[in-house]
Amino acid sequence: AQTVTQSQPEMSVQEAETVTLSCTYDTSESDYYLFWYKQPPSRQMILVIRQEAYKQQNATENRFSVNFQKAAKSFSLKISDSQLGDAAMYFCASELNTGFQKLVFGTGTRLLVSP
Amino acid sequence: DTEVTQTPKHLVMGMTNKKSLKCEQHMGHRAMYWYKQKAKKPPELMFVYSYEKLSINESVPSRFSPECPNSSLLNLHLHALQPEDSALYLCASSQNREGSYEQYFGPGTRLTVT
Repeated sequence: AQTVTQSQPEMSVQEAETVTLSCTYDTSESDYYLFWYKQPPSRQMILVIRQEAYKQQNATENRFSVNFQKAAKSFSLKISDSQLGDAAMYFCASELNTGFQKLVFGTGTRLLVSP
Repeated sequence: DTEVTQTPKHLVMGMTNKKSLKCEQHMGHRAMYWYKQKAKKPPELMFVYSYEKLSINESVPSRFSPECPNSSLLNLHLHALQPEDSALYLCASSQNREGSYEQYFGPGTRLTVT
């Protein structure tokens, strides 16, 4: 079974600063995907970034990047130059490549951004 | 169009009522999902439809009955719900080919069972 753990219930950052959200996961499979989803208050959940487990290179999307440590089963999200609009609940998630597209979510980290 | 729409936005129902939630997407996605999300918790998968057929049922009580009339539409029929079923119900869709594809989420229906 897959499990995803986010040990930081809440994080704070000031505008323009950098923050890192932690995520660890556990799976016995070798073929899987990892995601960070963002859920702003009362707004739709959107995909921030995804990582294929077979790729060694860390994924980046503009100000968002991941530090994927496969051996350690760690998948942290770094947000650079934080903006007020980054304030949201961030969920780490994993999905096995079985064709069933079943996401397993972590408990989430609430990110607060102050001016 | 990368939008998943859900109606209604809010729903209040009694324990003896029958109601339905509706989800629609026009992205040509062939996989659709229902999730239940309690406050300050992650979404929990309920059902997955693939090519209009139910492929995953996460042991959801029978008072929740999903339906996929066509590739763009997903319904969740509700009957004899309990107060603990009050939650945000999210619909999502994705492409359904080998590999993993982004799930696009709708805004959800906030359900209150009285």
